[in-house]
Amino acid sequence: QQQVKQSPQSLIVQKGGISIINCAYENTAFDYFPWYQQFPGKGPALLIAIRPDVSEKKEGRFTISFNKSAKQFSLHIMDSQPGDSATYFCAAASFGNEKLTFGTGTRLTIIP
Amino acid sequence: DADVTQTPRNRITKTGKRIMLECSQTKGHDRMYWYRQDPGLGLRLIYYSFDVKDINKGEISDGYSVSRQAQAKFSLSLESAIPNQTALYFCATSLGGQGSNTQYFGPGTRLTVL
Repeated sequence: QQQVKQSPQSLIVQKGGISIINCAYENTAFDYFPWYQQFPGKGPALLIAIRPDVSEKKEGRFTISFNKSAKQFSLHIMDSQPGDSATYFCAAASFGNEKLTFGTGTRLTIIP
Repeated sequence: DADVTQTPRNRITKTGKRIMLECSQTKGHDRMYWYRQDPGLGLRLIYYSFDVKDINKGEISDGYSVSRQAQAKFSLSLESAIPNQTALYFCATSLGGQGSNTQYFGPGTRLTVL
């Protein structure tokens, strides 16, 4: 039973373009939605996170958009750079429960 | 120095062998987790521990066991390894408490079971 569905599985974007990765969740108790970034040979690392009291959070070129009614959230990478090439995981957790439920991951490749 | 370390980084073993993967952390976190990563399946939780006396099964605990030897150490064992346990294994830690959901991952152990 997959509680967090992530798409696409892989994505190729031209340098300078916008990369968009989408996630949908089922459990309405989820109230914490982080995105993790993983480079080859490394463990995932927190990139940006949002709580449902806001619809958008921006940190530099990275933005999370959150739609509570649709139970969806997405990661937007503006002005994508080759250094952004990595695997991205969305995740979700509920208040008082620190276990994260991860999506299946998106392998992002930025081409020159 | 890395805050979360895993040993070994790579391991090749044979079906039926007992394997132990070790995780140590210097972050002073109470919470520790073991995940496996498989292509197309993402990160799946095997076991987690919220303190030294607390051990909990995750979504895919069958075939695995863990030991929390100290606040800083959390080991994962495969009692009798099988080929479908070939995967990338990650240890993670978190501080715990409200607003402290961030998990910090180690570099991973690539395990191959022949």
